[in-house]
Amino acid sequence: QVHLQESGPGLVKPSGTLSLTCAVSGGSISSSSWWSWVRQPPGKGLEWIGEIYHSGSTNYNPSLKSRVTMSVDKSKNHFSLNLNSLTAADTAVYYCARVDTSRFDPWGQGTLVTVSS
Amino acid sequence: QSALTQPASVSGSPGQSITISCTGTSSDVGSYNHVSWYQQHPGKAPKLMIYEGSKRPSGVSIRFSGSKSGNTASLTISGLQAEDEADYYCCSYAGSSTYVFGSGTRVTVL
Repeated sequence: QVHLQESGPGLVKPSGTLSLTCAVSGGSISSSSWWSWVRQPPGKGLEWIGEIYHSGSTNYNPSLKSRVTMSVDKSKNHFSLNLNSLTAADTAVYYCARVDTSRFDPWGQGTLVTVSS
Repeated sequence: QSALTQPASVSGSPGQSITISCTGTSSDVGSYNHVSWYQQHPGKAPKLMIYEGSKRPSGVSIRFSGSKSGNTASLTISGLQAEDEADYYCCSYAGSSTYVFGSGTRVTVL
């Protein structure tokens, strides 16, 4: 059974870069699934950030595309998210999830990232 | 790419049935049979409840069902139980390898 776990700094400064990693266990990141990031600002709804395939192919939300970079490390069985030019509006719980035929399952537990000086 | 429209809140008494709507456009919900639904309890990660519009993953109660008509998808919870009280989100494939989530619905069991 696949399990996902996010990790990274909980506090980042405005104009800085957010860097998160999602560790995949119980399965291979080189399977036929895509791997996605979704965020949720406090008290608000879910927003799809983007996804990556084990080959390195990526798809991003057009509204975030200019600030997002995703990468995959097959040797460590994990994938990563970088989001730059941060503002307070990027404060959110960031989730990673496996995407298989348009279904997001499973999800990581989420990690809160606060953008503040 | 705007969020899919869901009612902010829906409520019902135990044992009743409720339906949550998810309205998109002909560019997302209306064009693809790739609508999924997620249940989220406070402080928890979302959980997949329905995929491909009407399919239930293993382990999800048969009380949950999904459907679609035109640009609107729906999630019905029958035999409402206290444990169903949560936030629910729809999600649709939106073309060009992108996805869009709904605005979310708070379900209250009276």
